[in-house]
Amino acid sequence: SQQGEEDPQALSIQEGENATMNCSYKTSINNLQWYRQNSGRGLVHLILIRSNEREKHSGRLRVTLDTSKKSSSLLITASRAADTASYFCATESNFGNEKLTFGTGTRLTIIP
Amino acid sequence: DAMVIQNPRYQVTQFGKPVTLSCSQTLNHNVMYWYQQKSSQAPKLLFHYYDKDFNNEADTPDNFQSRRPNTSFCFLDIRSPGLGDAAMYLCATSQIAGETQYFGPGTRLLVL
Repeated sequence: SQQGEEDPQALSIQEGENATMNCSYKTSINNLQWYRQNSGRGLVHLILIRSNEREKHSGRLRVTLDTSKKSSSLLITASRAADTASYFCATESNFGNEKLTFGTGTRLTIIP
Repeated sequence: DAMVIQNPRYQVTQFGKPVTLSCSQTLNHNVMYWYQQKSSQAPKLLFHYYDKDFNNEADTPDNFQSRRPNTSFCFLDIRSPGLGDAAMYLCATSQIAGETQYFGPGTRLLVL
């Protein structure tokens, strides 16, 4: 399987703290994306980082990419109760197969 | 607002009784995807369309079929649902294959 692995599987933090999730993958990629999924809902795209980029920001989100280690991290700063969700990384391999491979996900719980 | 719509949101069917799930989009995207997601797991790609070109994943059971009559609509047909097919089914679209995907809210299928 080319599925990515996310770490940790579950994370609980106090509101206001920062949350960091990690993603590792197996193949060379064109891009890596992060998605959020609220319970029982569809996925929402958060951020896309290309293979030639090392860091990207969007609001309270910071994503890093280390292609030499085949890993990425998502940092959510100043967490809010509304950030409670599952977070998935997804990669597009550079084999040109037009699809994403999703990681196993991190379940984030923000404690008010 | 441009969006991806899935109907119904909840579907109950009987073991072996054919069922069709529908997806429509107002984004005018070329690519449409169908995913199966079981509880606490990553979305698993079943197939995708690049315009009218159908791409089936190697491990998608023959029990699952799809139709895309036009750009806006895509259907997932499960010919003989088994208990193991109970899951959330997610439809997604993208303008450029392998890049940002926009997901619908999903259809939760229950097989009795």
